[in-house]
Amino acid sequence: KQEVTQIPAALSVPEGENLVLNCSFTDSAIYNLQWFRQDPGKGLTSLLLIQSSQREQTSGRLNASLDKSSGRSTLYIAASQPGDSATYLCAVRPDSGAGSYQLTFGKGTKLSVIP
Amino acid sequence: ETGVTQTPRHLVMGMTNKKSLKCEQHLGHNAMYWYKQSAKKPLELMFVYSLEERVENNSVPSRFSPECPNSSHLFLHLHTLQPEDSALYLCASSQDVSYGYTFGSGTRLTVV
Repeated sequence: KQEVTQIPAALSVPEGENLVLNCSFTDSAIYNLQWFRQDPGKGLTSLLLIQSSQREQTSGRLNASLDKSSGRSTLYIAASQPGDSATYLCAVRPDSGAGSYQLTFGKGTKLSVIP
Repeated sequence: ETGVTQTPRHLVMGMTNKKSLKCEQHLGHNAMYWYKQSAKKPLELMFVYSLEERVENNSVPSRFSPECPNSSHLFLHLHTLQPEDSALYLCASSQDVSYGYTFGSGTRLTVV
């Protein structure tokens, strides 16, 4: 059974700092990995999607990397801003079989960026 | 809006009530999902519909009943719920396995 772990569970940084969020998964047979952002009481907003054949994806100040063989992904946020404060979720999709539609989520990292 | 619309945004219901949650997407996606998000737990998949046919049901209690009348609409019918069913219920859609999920804003359900 796939398990996804996100470390740290919470992170507080001063504005302007660069930071890294970590995601690890136990089964490397994944089709893709997706990073989401969730604001309190709201739905999920997709940030980046990395296919299993890719090593990284970039969008603005965000960069996500994937090392499928070691079961790890990182989300790098450059020059953090107070508006980045949210919970960041990592999710993986299996590469085949029954359940290939199902995402397995981590519990998330709650990020606070202090002005 | 993200392209996936959920209504209502908030719902308070008694344990004997019957209510329904609605989800609508006009992204042309062919799969829709219901997820449950409880405090301090990872998102849990409840139901998956692909091409309007239910393909997975992760042993969800029968007091939750999904309905997918067409590829754009998904419902979650609720009856005789328990207080522990209070949670954020999220709908999502996707197009095939190659693409990512798009989530709605969720329905915050409180069972009293």
